[in-house]
Amino acid sequence: DAGVTQSPTHLIKTRGQQVTLRCSPISGHKSVSWYQQVLGQGPQFIFQYYEKEERGRGNFPDRFSARQFPNYSSELNVNALLLGDSALYLCASSPGDRDTQYFGPGTRLTVL
Amino acid sequence: AQSVSQHNHHVILSEAASLELGCNYSYGGTVNLFWYVQYPGQHLQLLLKYFSGDPLVKGIKGFEAEFIKSKFSFNLRKPSVQWSDTAEYFCAVTPSNTGNQFYFGTGTSLTVIP
Repeated sequence: DAGVTQSPTHLIKTRGQQVTLRCSPISGHKSVSWYQQVLGQGPQFIFQYYEKEERGRGNFPDRFSARQFPNYSSELNVNALLLGDSALYLCASSPGDRDTQYFGPGTRLTVL
Repeated sequence: AQSVSQHNHHVILSEAASLELGCNYSYGGTVNLFWYVQYPGQHLQLLLKYFSGDPLVKGIKGFEAEFIKSKFSFNLRKPSVQWSDTAEYFCAVTPSNTGNQFYFGTGTSLTVIP
């Protein structure tokens, strides 16, 4: 079975630009969560979506937004990029609203 | 705010040594607990989880963890480590009555010397 997939793998942007990251969950999983992992830290929760509805939002500014599509895939958007947004962005999927999360390989975002 | 503490930031062991990695959390309610591992160049993988029942849980590759509610701890153990256990280990906690937001510790880097 295919695991969680994310695209692109790597991305380089400049300050002030906007970026869209994509995630496809494991087949049959209806929940998608997004995390930011800065080097040397554990992942930090950004959003959770379940059945296309936002179920949770972490302590991130409004520049971060996300959505989930009818096929349960998801996009994370970040506007007005800052140098501090440079990180590994992880997507995780789970079958239901409160289940074990399975992580994708991540998208490495570098902001110059 | 909920937090997860992993007190061991870097651990270096010789093969066959025993391993114990500490994890403490701050949340007074019912929680679900997880240990994830990240091997070099790979993504986060689930090692084991605790939702309820027997507080001693067994995971993959010979790992186990014990949930001690009174100490708010969920320590990871392995009796005899192998070189292939070299990886970053993350403890994660999610309150069981609110969504699926995972709180992660900062991770422990384990290096096993052959």
